[in-house]
Amino acid sequence: DAKTTQPNSMESNEEEPVHLPCNHSTISGTDYIHWYRQLPSQGPEYVIHGLTSNVNNRMASLAIAEDRKSSTLILHRATLRDAAVYYCILRSGGSNYKLTFGKGTLLTVNP
Amino acid sequence: DTAVSQTPKYLVTQMGNDKSIKCEQNLGHDTMYWYKQDSKKFLKIMFSYNNKELIINETVPNRFSPKSPDKAHLNLHINSLELGDSAVYFCASSQDRGRDGYTFGSGTRLTVV
Repeated sequence: DAKTTQPNSMESNEEEPVHLPCNHSTISGTDYIHWYRQLPSQGPEYVIHGLTSNVNNRMASLAIAEDRKSSTLILHRATLRDAAVYYCILRSGGSNYKLTFGKGTLLTVNP
Repeated sequence: DTAVSQTPKYLVTQMGNDKSIKCEQNLGHDTMYWYKQDSKKFLKIMFSYNNKELIINETVPNRFSPKSPDKAHLNLHINSLELGDSAVYFCASSQDRGRDGYTFGSGTRLTVV
């Protein structure tokens, strides 16, 4: 699986937007960009995914660079409940069933 | 209402014992997975079943044996438990190879003493 690079940690203030970056310079044309998050003492939770175009859902937005070598997960108004480890994962569009998790970014939200 | 449910939530057992963790999903997904999260918080895939057929079998000791009686259930049986097996085990499910995301359970914390 192609590798992703994320900052180890980030901080944000409540009710402010948060931009979580992810670099994936070795991404292939069929790789989807998936984001998951893991709240303390819980299982990972799907956040959003995309291929080429920017994506929005009720949880977040995903901005994908034109060359697809990086992406940014955007939380529009951080809440204390958004404090979690956020994982950026490349998932092959082929027959690979695996999600391979990296270290992720620990997001701290300050009140 | 729980989409992916695991039992038990906590499991404390002695070295050498045999134990099972059960997982059920009510999402109608065709693929189920077991992941292990160790003390350093790395999540690693162990097994995956698609429509009751084993499709992923990572480098896992053969003391670990998954069993899928039907596509809604994937159980994990562990023989001769060792201290290093202590971890949180997560079950997950997906449809169509997870293109639209995976749904994880809340985990089973296994402690071997």
